[in-house]
Amino acid sequence: AQKVTQAQTEISVVEKEDVTLDCVYETRDTTYYLFWYKQPPSGELVFLIRRNSFDEQNEISGRYSWNFQKSTSSFNFTITASQVVDSAVYFCALSDENRDDKIIFGKGTRLHILP
Amino acid sequence: KAGVTQTPRYLIKTRGQQVTLSCSPISGHRSVSWYQQTPGQGLQFLFEYFSETQRNKGNFPGRFSGRQFSNSRSEMNVSTLELGDSALYLCASSLGRGGPYNEQFFGPGTRLTVL
Repeated sequence: AQKVTQAQTEISVVEKEDVTLDCVYETRDTTYYLFWYKQPPSGELVFLIRRNSFDEQNEISGRYSWNFQKSTSSFNFTITASQVVDSAVYFCALSDENRDDKIIFGKGTRLHILP
Repeated sequence: KAGVTQTPRYLIKTRGQQVTLSCSPISGHRSVSWYQQTPGQGLQFLFEYFSETQRNKGNFPGRFSGRQFSNSRSEMNVSTLELGDSALYLCASSLGRGGPYNEQFFGPGTRLTVL
């Protein structure tokens, strides 16, 4: 069965600190996709990244970086030099191509960046 | 380019009533997916429509239904409302099929409260 676990329910850090959001997934399929979304207080989910299971290269986009490790079934997200505007709920999600294409979301991590 | 719009933004209904929510995707997008977000269950996939056909369905009772029109606009309907249907309903559009295939763009959601 597919499952996404975000063990950190809520995190608070002081502005400019680095913070890592954990994501562990379960799937029996070899072809799958992992996502991260951001949900600011306005409620609208914002797409951050989509990564397929065959691409284990880490990705960096500005202050954001992602570490995909198939060996530990993890897809962790790091924000470097955090800013108050990064405060939001972050969701990790999984979808596999071979089953039913549904996206399974984790419960989310609420991130507070304190000024 | 206008984003995904959802109407109404807020809705209050009583148990037993029915409700229809509307979603207008980004111009040119052919896929619309619906999600329910609650504090307890998190984000759950409801269904996806592509080219006026339901392509995928989540594990929700038959009281939840939807449709897509030729202009890609979509509606979802919930009949015989229950208290547990109170949630934020999010709509997402994508150029092609949703799920793992393409980036999904989310609307601001409709906050439904059932009294």
